[in-house]
Amino acid sequence: DGGITQSPKYLFRKEGQNVTLSCEQNLNHDAMYWYRQDPGQGLRLIYYSQIVNDFQKGDIAEGYSVSREKKESFPLTVTSAQKNPTAFYLCASSVGLGPRTQYFGPGTRLLVL
Amino acid sequence: AQRVTQPEKLLSVFKGAPVELKCNYSYSGSPELFWYVQYSRQRLQLLLRHISRESIKGFTADLNKGETSFHLKKPFAQEEDSAMYYCALSGNSGNTPLVFGKGTRLSVIA
Repeated sequence: DGGITQSPKYLFRKEGQNVTLSCEQNLNHDAMYWYRQDPGQGLRLIYYSQIVNDFQKGDIAEGYSVSREKKESFPLTVTSAQKNPTAFYLCASSVGLGPRTQYFGPGTRLLVL
Repeated sequence: AQRVTQPEKLLSVFKGAPVELKCNYSYSGSPELFWYVQYSRQRLQLLLRHISRESIKGFTADLNKGETSFHLKKPFAQEEDSAMYYCALSGNSGNTPLVFGKGTRLSVIA
């Protein structure tokens, strides 16, 4: 464990509110990822970044936004456009894309008030 | 298109019984396959990858290109094996993320 951290552990969102989930890594990894984990749905890719200042949409990017201004950080914003945000969010990093081992953070559980 | 299918959402076995978690994939090239595991209250982590050809915690997985499968096996299940298991695939282009299956929850009954 260690090396990749996520905060907060729990996050509550009110209707119409944007919230930002933090992801930091000190593994010197170029690639970072955000996944959403729902029961029975497995891991679904929201966004990924291959390198600083670059990111790509995953399978379920609608209602989410990201930035990659620093190598170590890849924050995810859940916007008010995301109508069903309640889920467990996982951040991961790897040396690069492709067949590289991904290292996961502990996750953030987002709940809607 | 790359796709990973794990046909079982839940698999229950008795302690000491053999375990096989199924994984089938769809990919036209030469893939690399992985198994990730998430134990209760722990992070998702790599269990094994086919290219390493190693046994981790008694688990093995063989890539069968003819059947496009990468089933995870263990001869004698232990209670501590209870977890969520994900199969993942990487294409040989090297510039796309891993594709994960929907996962199988393994429950080992004492």
